[in-house]
Amino acid sequence: QKEVEQNSGPLSVPEGAIASLNCTYSDRGSQSFFWYRQYSGKSPELIMSIYSNGDKEDGRFTAQLNKASQYVSLLIRDSQPSDSATYLCAVGSSNTGKLIFGQGTTLQVKP
Amino acid sequence: IAGITQAPTSQILAAGRRMTLRCTQDMRHNAMYWYRQDLGLGLRLIHYSNTAGTTGKGEVPDGYSVSRANTDDFPLTLASAVPSQTSVYFCASSAGLAGGLNTQYFGPGTRLTVL
Repeated sequence: QKEVEQNSGPLSVPEGAIASLNCTYSDRGSQSFFWYRQYSGKSPELIMSIYSNGDKEDGRFTAQLNKASQYVSLLIRDSQPSDSATYLCAVGSSNTGKLIFGQGTTLQVKP
Repeated sequence: IAGITQAPTSQILAAGRRMTLRCTQDMRHNAMYWYRQDLGLGLRLIHYSNTAGTTGKGEVPDGYSVSRANTDDFPLTLASAVPSQTSVYFCASSAGLAGGLNTQYFGPGTRLTVL
């Protein structure tokens, strides 16, 4: 079992729709959770971080964390073609001091 | 502009040659990291440094070495490059250990091709 799992996609949604990206993790000691966006040929950039159960909203982005189910998700409302990218889920543990990345989900937003 | 710089941007290298990828950050972050990113394998940690003067091995350290003589610089050396080291290399940094509440920031990357 991979430590951090994401569906590689591609996930295709029409412009204006809600895109839902999912991530599961295996280490119950994980304490920090991050979503990075990576455009083709570019480096990952942080878009959301979440540390406690529940929802965290930032503009069109909402991160959801459920530690009991070892599940973290990212919702993108009113998806735009500029949101087309690969989204990386990263999970961290203060025990290891490292982040483990999923392989990423490719999102395509079609006009 | 504050951030992380990497050099070179890209490089084509003959197998067996020695190569050092440079990484410099000006955010005074304690922790720095080197990752490689390969299609289908995601980001994999090569080496890390929690603070100046210390380094540690990540998931895929073989064939690579690092040093951390000061806070700002974290070079990655390939002693004798092999084609399997063809990849995109990202340097990253965080104020403290990445597993806690510290966000990890990435440099622009170096695209390395070993022939």
